[in-house]
Amino acid sequence: ETGVTQTPRHLVMGMTNKKSLKCEQHLGHNAMYWYKQSAKKPLELMFVYSLEERVENNSVPSRFSPECPNSSHLFLHLHTLQPEDSALYLCASSQELGRSYEQYFGPGTRLTVT
Amino acid sequence: AQTVTQSQPEMSVQEAETVTLSCTYDTSESNYYLFWYKQPPSRQMILVIRQEAYKQQNATENRFSVNFQKAAKSFSLKISDSQLGDTAMYFCAFMKYGNAGNMLTFGGGTRLMVKP
Repeated sequence: ETGVTQTPRHLVMGMTNKKSLKCEQHLGHNAMYWYKQSAKKPLELMFVYSLEERVENNSVPSRFSPECPNSSHLFLHLHTLQPEDSALYLCASSQELGRSYEQYFGPGTRLTVT
Repeated sequence: AQTVTQSQPEMSVQEAETVTLSCTYDTSESNYYLFWYKQPPSRQMILVIRQEAYKQQNATENRFSVNFQKAAKSFSLKISDSQLGDTAMYFCAFMKYGNAGNMLTFGGGTRLMVKP
């Protein structure tokens, strides 16, 4: 696998379920991100991990819980979600302190909360 | 806090013609980066072009070029010789220089349709 991969690609869950989204980057980067992309709103930055430490938690509800066990993997744990949480969740990675500052994005997980 | 505004929700262009996408931003920072990202239908978002604010020369990548007006806080994207594969959502993004984590602030996006 190359680049940034995300699993699952599609997820349907009830409001009482617990599920996790997984992101893996194969680029040797040391910063990873979760974004939420809704139909009517700009991309919203949810969480940032740099060198495996969380540096930003953008006022995200506690029903979203990130985990970054190492520089290559990022998880988003979901529990008791609301229908308005239905969206495309994008993962990205970049090289902290690098010269290009480019973020590489995964294909996203399309989440539907019923 | 920074804000990024893309005033054109949708645009269309005929194949082989030129189109310009607008982006304005608001910041009190003097050192920053600006980006255009492209998100094709059902495909991954990719970087199109990048501009460092300290550089006066406008960035160019093949058919893609920017018009960066720092004083006006404007950063438009010009696509020359449009191709069907350019059909996508285009996002303008801002990044403050030197912040931990390289965090991006995105605009709302412009949906571009290239017509044959």
